[in-house]
Amino acid sequence: DIVMTQTPSSQAVSAGEKVTMSCKSSQSLLYSENKKNYLAWYQQKPGQSPKLLISWASTRESGVPDRFIGSGSGTDFTLTISSVQAEDLAVYYCEQYYDTPWTFGGGTKLELK
Amino acid sequence: EVQLVESGEGLVQPGSSMKLSCVASGFTFSNYGMNWIRQAPKKGLEWIALIYYDSSSKYYADSVKGRFTISRDNSKNTLYLEMNSLRSEDTAMYYCAKGGGAGNYFDYWGQGVMVTVSS
Repeated sequence: DIVMTQTPSSQAVSAGEKVTMSCKSSQSLLYSENKKNYLAWYQQKPGQSPKLLISWASTRESGVPDRFIGSGSGTDFTLTISSVQAEDLAVYYCEQYYDTPWTFGGGTKLELK
Repeated sequence: EVQLVESGEGLVQPGSSMKLSCVASGFTFSNYGMNWIRQAPKKGLEWIALIYYDSSSKYYADSVKGRFTISRDNSKNTLYLEMNSLRSEDTAMYYCAKGGGAGNYFDYWGQGVMVTVSS
């Protein structure tokens, strides 16, 4: 199975700060035939179901604010929030869909400083 | 608007069975793979099952293989999860989620149903 490791597990932030969180996979998620990284990011707010933010490592879903930026390739990926807003406090998960079983990282929880 | 509405929530004893349903609307259900994903209390997300758009292939996590069965009825826009030999470690919120199409990311999620396995 592909193991997804997210760091940090939690992070205290202030509104307006730039935030970065990491997701590393135990094997490359870059498919050589199409040069795409099979990596997605989700946001889960308390009491809600997860919401897809980014697919293919860097493609923002429709309606997702442009302060959310996905980057990286191969085994190392980053989700950046350029200027955190209060409504961004949530747990963020990465997921690999390169191979079955599809696996998630343990999450990064953003909390208020 | 895409909607996924799960049902079948409940409390069951270890060793028993339970069936979850997920009714889909707002998209052409028969064109997409569908998944079940669970989340134990205060824990992370675990993908557990995928069924192709035409039921031609099914995949399961090792944790549920042989005990859970995913199925769908495209005429009813409904996804199912039949769960047998339930264990306490199956206690979780169960979400149905639509596959993204070109890749099995999960672009829409239901609100989830809670399954509690306890004596």
